[in-house]
Amino acid sequence: AQKITQTQPGMFVQEKEAVTLDCTYDTSDQSYGLFWYKQPSSGEMIFLIYQGSYDEQNATEGRYSLNFQKARKSANLVISASQLGDSAMYFCAMRGLLFSGGYNKLIFGAGTRLAVHP
Amino acid sequence: DAGVIQSPRHEVTEMGQEVTLRCKPISGHDYLFWYRQTMMRGLELLIYFNNNVPIDDSGMPEDRFSAKMPNASFSTLKIQPSEPRDSAVYFCASRLTSGGETQYFGPGTRLLVL
Repeated sequence: AQKITQTQPGMFVQEKEAVTLDCTYDTSDQSYGLFWYKQPSSGEMIFLIYQGSYDEQNATEGRYSLNFQKARKSANLVISASQLGDSAMYFCAMRGLLFSGGYNKLIFGAGTRLAVHP
Repeated sequence: DAGVIQSPRHEVTEMGQEVTLRCKPISGHDYLFWYRQTMMRGLELLIYFNNNVPIDDSGMPEDRFSAKMPNASFSTLKIQPSEPRDSAVYFCASRLTSGGETQYFGPGTRLLVL
């Protein structure tokens, strides 16, 4: 079975500080993909960053980086220099099981609500 | 390039009525996905298409739900008859095989069934 766990229902951070949002996963696949999406209060789902299981380097996209620790099965999102506009729900997701036909499915965690304070 | 387009953005209907949600994927994308988001169940995949062909509909909750993709630029998700428990946000997403694994989401349709 596959599962994405986000243990932090809510997080607070001061503007301009860095924050780490936790994500752990469970899968029986050797090859898998991990994603982070942002959902602001307006409701849309915005893709942030992707990490492949065989990527040797941690993924980075601007102020976003993914701290990928394969042995621990964790894929934490790090947001540097937080901005007020970063206040949103953040979802960690994983690609579905390869051989069960789930290759194109995304399985989402429950999300973490981040509040950035001035 | 325009993103995924969904309509309507909001829909309020009465129990028993037919509801049709529409999606236009990003031009050239060959995969299209329908997701549903509720407080209780989070985000879950309902069905997805590849080159207009339904590949996996195992997430469709019951026979009241149906989805079609008559061409590469249009898909519908229909609920008939609708029930209050269908109230949710319905997202459409698309992906290009050669563009990597990322799925790009539309703005969603917020459905309320009274």
